Amino acid sequence: AQKVTQAQTEISVVEKEDVTLDCVYETRDTTYYLFWYKQPPSGELVFLIRRNSFDEQNEISGRYSWNFQKSTSSFNFTITASQVVDSAVYFCALSEAGSGGSNYKLTFGKGTLLTVNP
Amino acid sequence: EAGVAQSPRYKIIEKRQSVAFWCNPISGHATLYWYQQILGQGPKLLIQFQNNGVVDDSQLPKDRFSAERLKGVDSTLKIQPAKLEDSAVYLCASSLFSGSSYEQYFGPGTRLTVT
Repeated sequence: AQKVTQAQTEISVVEKEDVTLDCVYETRDTTYYLFWYKQPPSGELVFLIRRNSFDEQNEISGRYSWNFQKSTSSFNFTITASQVVDSAVYFCALSEAGSGGSNYKLTFGKGTLLTVNP
Repeated sequence: EAGVAQSPRYKIIEKRQSVAFWCNPISGHATLYWYQQILGQGPKLLIQFQNNGVVDDSQLPKDRFSAERLKGVDSTLKIQPAKLEDSAVYLCASSLFSGSSYEQYFGPGTRLTVT
């Protein structure tokens, strides 16, 4: 069974600080995908990144960066120079192929509430 | 391009009453998902449709929940009768096709309160 753990329930930082959100996953599949979503107060989940299990390269997109380490089953997310607009709940998610490989189930962690104070 | 539409945005009902939620996915998206998000938790998949067929409903409480996507476009999720523990946000999402390489786009959700 697949499982995603986000141990940090809440994080509070001051604007311009760097912050890292942790994500640890469990899966028995060798082929899987990892995701990060942002959920602002409006409630709509916003896709941030998708990474497949064969691509361990770190990725940077503006102030966002992701560190994927298969050896520790982790997929951590760092925001550099945080801004007030980054305040949201961030979810890490995992998907693996379902039976027959034709469908998949997205399993979410419990989320981390990030508050960036001015 | 219009996003995933959901209605209503908020609903308050008493336990044992019935309620229905509506979702209109992004045009052309074959796959539609309903998730339940209880406060303080991540979304949990209830049911997945591919066109008008059910792909996965293993986590749908079928004694009280039902969903349909008759014409392969919009979808309705119903709860009958509602229980207190059904209080949650119900999220609808759609993707072009089923599969991990296809991004899921989420709607704003319907917040249900059962009293």
